[in-house]
Amino acid sequence: AQKVTQAQTEISVVEKEDVTLDCVYETRDTTYYLFWYKQPPSGELVFLIRRNSFDEQNEISGRYSWNFQKSTSSFNFTITASQVVDSAVYFCALAGTASKLTFGTGTRLQVTL
Amino acid sequence: DAGVIQSPRHEVTEMGQEVTLRCKPISGHNSLFWYRQTMMRGLELLIYFNNNVPIDDSGMPEDRFSAKMPNASFSTLKIQPSEPRDSAVYFCASSAGTVNTEAFFGQGTRLTVV
Repeated sequence: AQKVTQAQTEISVVEKEDVTLDCVYETRDTTYYLFWYKQPPSGELVFLIRRNSFDEQNEISGRYSWNFQKSTSSFNFTITASQVVDSAVYFCALAGTASKLTFGTGTRLQVTL
Repeated sequence: DAGVIQSPRHEVTEMGQEVTLRCKPISGHNSLFWYRQTMMRGLELLIYFNNNVPIDDSGMPEDRFSAKMPNASFSTLKIQPSEPRDSAVYFCASSAGTVNTEAFFGQGTRLTVV
């Protein structure tokens, strides 16, 4: 069985602060894939990133960065200099080579002025 | 390029009625997924099609739920008869690969069963 834990239910920050969203996963697969999705207030889920289990390099995309550490089974997401438009629910998800995508319970991020 | 299109966006129906949700995946994508999102259970995969064939329907809650994909550009999720506990947001998603490739989601159908 596989499991994704997002322990932070809700985070509130002031604009321009950096914020890290935690994701811890469990799987018995040796090959697996990790994802982050964003769900803004409008409701749709927006794909942010996909990483496979063999690629532990950190990734940066603009103000977004991801830290993948197999040793701690974590795939954390950092937003630098947060903006109000970053307010959303963020989901971490995991899929094995043949197993279905399992989502975490999500972290609601509120960025205020 | 159009994304995943779902209809209707909102549906309110009475308990016992049949409900049909529709989805048009992104052209060229060969996998289609139906998800349900509730406060209590979060995002759950209901069923997954690959090349129009149901691959994994283990998430379908019970026989009242059925899904079809008659061709590569259309899928339906039907609930008959509907119950209040079916109230949720139902998402359709498609991808160019299988379960471990990035999926693109529609805007969802908010179903309310009264």
